[in-house]
Amino acid sequence: QVQLQESGPGLVKPSETLSLTCTVIGGSISSYYWNWIRQPPGKGLEWIGYIYYSGSTKYNPSLKSRVTISVDTSKNQFSLKVSSVTAADTAVYYCARTGGYNYWQYYFDNWGQGTLVTVSS
Amino acid sequence: QSVLTQPPSVSGAPGQRVTISCTGSSSNIGAGYDVHWYQQLPGTAPKLFIYGNTNRPSGVPDRFSGSKSGTSASLAITGLQAEDEADYYCQSYDSSLTGLYVFGTGTKVTVL
Repeated sequence: QVQLQESGPGLVKPSETLSLTCTVIGGSISSYYWNWIRQPPGKGLEWIGYIYYSGSTKYNPSLKSRVTISVDTSKNQFSLKVSSVTAADTAVYYCARTGGYNYWQYYFDNWGQGTLVTVSS
Repeated sequence: QSVLTQPPSVSGAPGQRVTISCTGSSSNIGAGYDVHWYQQLPGTAPKLFIYGNTNRPSGVPDRFSGSKSGTSASLAITGLQAEDEADYYCQSYDSSLTGLYVFGTGTKVTVL
């Protein structure tokens, strides 16, 4: 059973860059799309973007100017960077694997436990 | 930013049937894109409960069923149990702008 584990700082200062890594354990990062999804405290879910193991990416248009997702297949990891953060970026950040065969069918079938990132000085 | 609308809460007594609606538009559910459902227990990550409108992953009780019609979808829970008390989110693909994956606003299910 594949497990996903997020890691990174839990506190980031305003205007700085948030950086998180997701490690894929018990399976290969190859042949799947890998996502970042976030959830502000007490609120709903927001898809941030995904990366294919080959490096191709797709981002939420509302975040695209500040987000970069990268992959390191040698470490079985993928990463998220969000620049110029504000308090509005405070959220639990989840990494998740994509299921489904075509992009219009994609769902998220395997999730990490999530990590809370707080933006505060 | 949610473009899929769900009722904030639904409730029912043990054993009853409840349904959760998910209303979208012509750029997502109405365009024929699949709808998926997630259960989120307090303090935990969401868990896939229905995919491809009607399919249940292994381990999800058959008390849960999904349907889709027009610009809306529904999740039904029959024989409601205390362990079903959780937040539920629908999700689909939206073709507006450059395309993105969207979630519903979320519904809290309370077992009375």
